[in-house]
Parts: sequence; C-alpha cells; structure tokens
Amino acid sequence: GQQVMQIPQYQHVQEGEDFTTYCNSSTTLSNIQWYKQRPGGHPVFLIQLVKSGEVKKQKRLTFQFGEAKKNSSLHITATQTTDVGTYFCAGGKREAGTALIFGKGTTLSVSS
Amino acid sequence: DSGVTQTPKHLITATGQRVTLRCSPRSGDLSVYWYQQSLDQGLQFLIQYYNGEERAKGNILERFSAQQFPDLHSELNLSSLELGDSALYFCASSVGSRATDTQYFGPGTRLTVL
Repeated sequence: GQQVMQIPQYQHVQEGEDFTTYCNSSTTLSNIQWYKQRPGGHPVFLIQLVKSGEVKKQKRLTFQFGEAKKNSSLHITATQTTDVGTYFCAGGKREAGTALIFGKGTTLSVSS
Repeated sequence: DSGVTQTPKHLITATGQRVTLRCSPRSGDLSVYWYQQSLDQGLQFLIQYYNGEERAKGNILERFSAQQFPDLHSELNLSSLELGDSALYFCASSVGSRATDTQYFGPGTRLTVL
C-alpha cells in the first residue's frame, strides 16, 4: 500500500543550528501537509503544498514539494527551543475513499 | 484550542473490556477522523466519517468500530481490549472530505490497558 517515509526519526541540535526533515512517498501525491506536535500536545497544522516544485516559507521554516510530487522537506533555520516537538508530513491522493497518510514523524530536540 | 473536544482525557481499563471514546468536531466541520498514536508507530489512521457516512478506512482492527451521529459527534468503540491497544487516540475534524482539507486535532484520549 501507499507509504510515506520520514527521516530522520530523531534529531538533536544545538540552539541556532539548522534542521531538516525529509518525507518520501512511494507514489505520486496530490498534496502534502505538515503538522507539528509539541510534547504532550496534539498535532497542529502548519502548511499545505499542492504544486510541483512549490516552496513556501513561514518565518524560519521553509517547506518544499518535489518536482515529481513524491517528496517534501521542512527546513528550520537557526533553531530555537520553541521548535522542539515532532514534525509530521502527511501525503494525500485525489482518489475517493483515501485519506491522508502520515509519516512516522521526526522528533526534534534543541539544547541551549 | 482547536475546537475539537474529546472525552475522556484518560481511560484505564483491563484486558478483555470494552470502551467508548467520544469526539465532538469543530462547529461546521462535517468530517471526523480517528487516529491511534503509539510510541513506535506514529500516527496510524483508523477511519474517517463524513456527514454520518464512512468515507475512508485505514488499519482499523475488527475489534474496533466507529460511527458518526446526526449531530456529527463521533464515537470509537474498542472491544476485547489487549495490552497492545494502549495508546493515545486522536480525533480530528475538517470542513470537507478531501485530502486537501486541513485537519484539526483534538487533545486526545490516553487509553491504558492493564
């Protein structure tokens, strides 16, 4: 079945360092969404990408959707302690009866 | 606060028992999704309902069932519970039923099976 793989599973950085998480699908996606889950919290929607090669920025966060619409990345510049949490990508397909497939997430820890 | 409510917050029960988790979606949202989150499995999609009808099904066990009522709230029933069913169960809602709709997650129900 369709899978969405996310790497790395865990990442520890020093405050101020950059961080990137990668998401890869075995099949072409119609869209990809990114969510953040703070420790002890619930997933919160960050952004959606729908176009091939799309790049979106939110302050220090940069999101990319690959040209083939099979991969995506989230890059955080100059991490802060407030960035800690688990980042999930979720891929969607247009076919009826399908739902978003979530990756297993990348858990980011930041030390000051 | 996402506007999605889930009850109870915590549930402790024994193996073989049956429990019901409840979810109320955001006002105006017609879709409800159920997810299971355990440490090693990430967010596992279980099932989606849209306006009372089942819309998509994931890796939901036969021991689990769900429904969405006319007032749009949803219940997830878990029966013949096993130790491995211990997890955080999230409900999410969205306006429509498309994969491009943003999902708003509730605070979750933590189920512990002893």
